Amino acid sequence: NAGVTQTPKFQVLKTGQSMTLQCAQDMNHNSMYWYRQDPGMGLRLIYYSASEGTTDKGEVPNGYNVSRLNKREFSLRLESAAPSQTSVYFCASRGTGEDGEKLFFGSGTQLSVL
Amino acid sequence: QKEVEQDPGPLSVPEGAIVSLNCTYSNSAFQYFMWYRQYSRKGPELLMYTYSSGNKEDGRFTAQVDKSSKYISLFIRDSQPSDSATYLCAMEAGNQFYFGTGTSLTVIP
Repeated sequence: NAGVTQTPKFQVLKTGQSMTLQCAQDMNHNSMYWYRQDPGMGLRLIYYSASEGTTDKGEVPNGYNVSRLNKREFSLRLESAAPSQTSVYFCASRGTGEDGEKLFFGSGTQLSVL
Repeated sequence: QKEVEQDPGPLSVPEGAIVSLNCTYSNSAFQYFMWYRQYSRKGPELLMYTYSSGNKEDGRFTAQVDKSSKYISLFIRDSQPSDSATYLCAMEAGNQFYFGTGTSLTVIP
């Protein structure tokens, strides 16, 4: 019962480096989300994908790009990391049917940009 | 003004106490109201959700929504040390979910 799997769990980058955060879900969900969580700011939406082949900006998209590779996978890319992107990143997928209002979260990626 | 406001706490109560957690919101389009629980270094997990105004009970937990006041609450009865976590309210509109900042709760044995 994997659910939502995120990799890596921890990452340290230098300013200007790039990296991709990977997310995959095995629940056949259509909608997927990327959030960042910062102290005192709560969860803020970076990008979401309502279905395979579509992506939309959320509240804080600047400095990020996303790819919905297929129905299972939704990746988040930082092209040129900045210290302001130090955060915990969560991927989530939205349930269907009776679980339609339920977000299933991964365990998070703790990212530090020096 | 944020769409969802939540007192961050922290809140510390003795075991067995009744806990009240609250959020206010500004967007009248919100129809679904949720409470997530997040343990340290884990992803949030859905605790309860309600549709529109009213109450919903699940064991020791009761969720309450007052759309006229744009105010939602979560009550925890007979609180246990295992309830120690951060509680986030969330609301949904247009396929987006909006979260409060979370309230940190510690239940002291």
